[in-house]
Amino acid sequence: DIQMTQSPSTLSASVGDRVTITCRASQSISSWLAWYQQKPGKAPKLLIYTASTLESGVPSRFSGSGSGTEFTLTISSLQPDDFATYYCQQYNTYPTFGQGTKVEIK
Amino acid sequence: QVQLQESGPGLVRPSQTLSLTCTVSGGSITSGSFYWSWIRQSAGKGLEWIGRIYTSGTTTYKASLKSRVTISVDTSKNQFSLRLKSVTAADTAVYYCARVPSWSGFFGVWGKGTTVTVSA
Repeated sequence: DIQMTQSPSTLSASVGDRVTITCRASQSISSWLAWYQQKPGKAPKLLIYTASTLESGVPSRFSGSGSGTEFTLTISSLQPDDFATYYCQQYNTYPTFGQGTKVEIK
Repeated sequence: QVQLQESGPGLVRPSQTLSLTCTVSGGSITSGSFYWSWIRQSAGKGLEWIGRIYTSGTTTYKASLKSRVTISVDTSKNQFSLRLKSVTAADTAVYYCARVPSWSGFFGVWGKGTTVTVSA
């Protein structure tokens, strides 16, 4: 299995901050990477696929970049609704997920 | 707008078989080109893909679960199902069904999830 490692595991930030989450793959996955947002008691919600394509309806403050083994999710100006846990997922081979990054209020 | 809803027992005894169904509404399960997947989430293992099925019946399973998993589809009922046999406490999790565009592997539509506890 391809291992996905996210950093940091927890991130404390304030409304309006620029936030960056990193995801590293144990081998190259080209651009076959998605990002999800999950809130407590809810299913994950797709934000970005193919590393940088914004899912329809997702605010433009979310962006993704990277290819190969290193990827980032950036929130340009953190909003109150963005406090959640974020996961990356590769689909170059059978899907695997990162362990998650919790974005909490500073 | 396609919606998915999981259903099934919330409690399963150890060594028994876990059975869940995902009902697709708002569209036909045979419409478009999609895989239909099962994913679970536990505190210990995080998010874990279990397997997928195409409406032709073609299945793919996670290697470590392959000997215990069966995913099937009933197009007449607009449903697909998961069976996981010989369960242990390690199979306790929230189980999600999800839709995947066949050209990719990301999960674009998710069910709300159902909690399954394995306990005597």
